Amino acid sequence: DGGITQSPKYLFRKEGQNVTLSCEQNLNHDAMYWYRQDPGQGLRLIYYSQIVNDFQKGDIAEGYSVSREKKESFPLTVTSAQKNPTAFYLCASSMGQTGNYGYTFGSGTRLTVV
Amino acid sequence: DQQVKQNSPSLSVQEGRISILNCDYTNSMFDYFLWYKKYPAEGPTFLISISSIKDKNEDGRFTVFLNKSAKHLSLHIVPSQPGDSAVYFCAASGYSNFGNEKLTFGTGTRLTIIP
Repeated sequence: DGGITQSPKYLFRKEGQNVTLSCEQNLNHDAMYWYRQDPGQGLRLIYYSQIVNDFQKGDIAEGYSVSREKKESFPLTVTSAQKNPTAFYLCASSMGQTGNYGYTFGSGTRLTVV
Repeated sequence: DQQVKQNSPSLSVQEGRISILNCDYTNSMFDYFLWYKKYPAEGPTFLISISSIKDKNEDGRFTVFLNKSAKHLSLHIVPSQPGDSAVYFCAASGYSNFGNEKLTFGTGTRLTIIP
């Protein structure tokens, strides 16, 4: 059964620590994306990757880093440089040509800084 | 610069009535428009889409209308059901500066269906 798996569902981090959010897909999609959702602000693009070993910054990349070593995996690291990391993080994938198929989203990770 | 706007953060509709969610955009180069539905603590799920060359697309209780001259689209849900209570995101598909096609999302409208 194909889909996107994000883990963990809930994550707590102490201030000053880096943390990595996992995103794995078995849809054979070329493109993968990371979004952040905050109340009243919709979905904001952090990073995206169209192919393996290549990725581009989105609208709010500061304080985040990614890697795309495998087609199936696109982990997001929230670094200590991210000033306000508490949010709901969503990973998505697509066939590349977004068109009318859009993205398939994971179920999200809620990160809380304590 | 918000290229896709949903000006109503919330909407309440009586069960059985029509729900109309609106979305405006500024970029005339967008070629597809999509609606997503999102429940709390879950990822958005694709609902319906429309090509920029069409003005209407229907799928069961859901119909999307596109008015290109006004740069406006709307989602109609008829009849509205309690399970429709969720946040709805409008999205538009277009090419980034890198030549890659990606979606731009609106800020969402929270729809509440009143029993």
